[in-house]
Amino acid sequence: QLQLQESGPGLVKPSETLSLTCIVSGGSISSSYYWAWIRQPPGKGLEWIGIISYSGTTYYNPSLLSRVTISVDMSKNQFSLKVRSVTAADTAVYYCAGREYSAYGYEYWGQGTLVTVSS
Amino acid sequence: DIQMTQSPSSLSASVGDRVTITCRASQSISRSLNWYQQKPGKAPNLLIYAASSLQSGVPSRFSGSGSGTDFTLTISSLQPEDFATYHCQQSNSAPHTFGQGTKLEIK
Repeated sequence: QLQLQESGPGLVKPSETLSLTCIVSGGSISSSYYWAWIRQPPGKGLEWIGIISYSGTTYYNPSLLSRVTISVDMSKNQFSLKVRSVTAADTAVYYCAGREYSAYGYEYWGQGTLVTVSS
Repeated sequence: DIQMTQSPSSLSASVGDRVTITCRASQSISRSLNWYQQKPGKAPNLLIYAASSLQSGVPSRFSGSGSGTDFTLTISSLQPEDFATYHCQQSNSAPHTFGQGTKLEIK
């Protein structure tokens, strides 16, 4: 059973880069899975940020495309998110999630980590 | 992007009630529709995938239906642990957009 755990700073200053990591345990990150980042501003709905396939192909939300990078580090069995030039609107709980390549929904989720953008 | 619209945004119901939540896509997504349950302070939990397939371990009182642009999530007999927020999500094409959520509250 896969387990995901987010890590990273809880506070980021405006205009800086938000960096989060998701450690995958209970399985190999290089297996046939998609790995995603999803966020939820306080009191609001879920926003899909982007996804990386087991082969390294990425898809990003067009609303964030110019500021976001998702990457995989197979040696550490983890994947990462970077959001550049953050503003208060990027304050949210950030979740990492995973799904099997042939699946529809995201079966595996981290517990989420709150990132606040503030000076 | 495909827009997902859920209704209602909030709903009050009693234990034992039958409840239906709807989700509409802005264009056809075939059966690529998933439903999640989220409780306060927790990550979403996958309930239904591919419009009508029950995720392993999810009680059979949850069911999903629909195809194309119109989908429903039905809870046949509400239990106390079902009071939560429900989200639909399309996985037909990236970005895999979510609906705005439906908060199910105790009447």
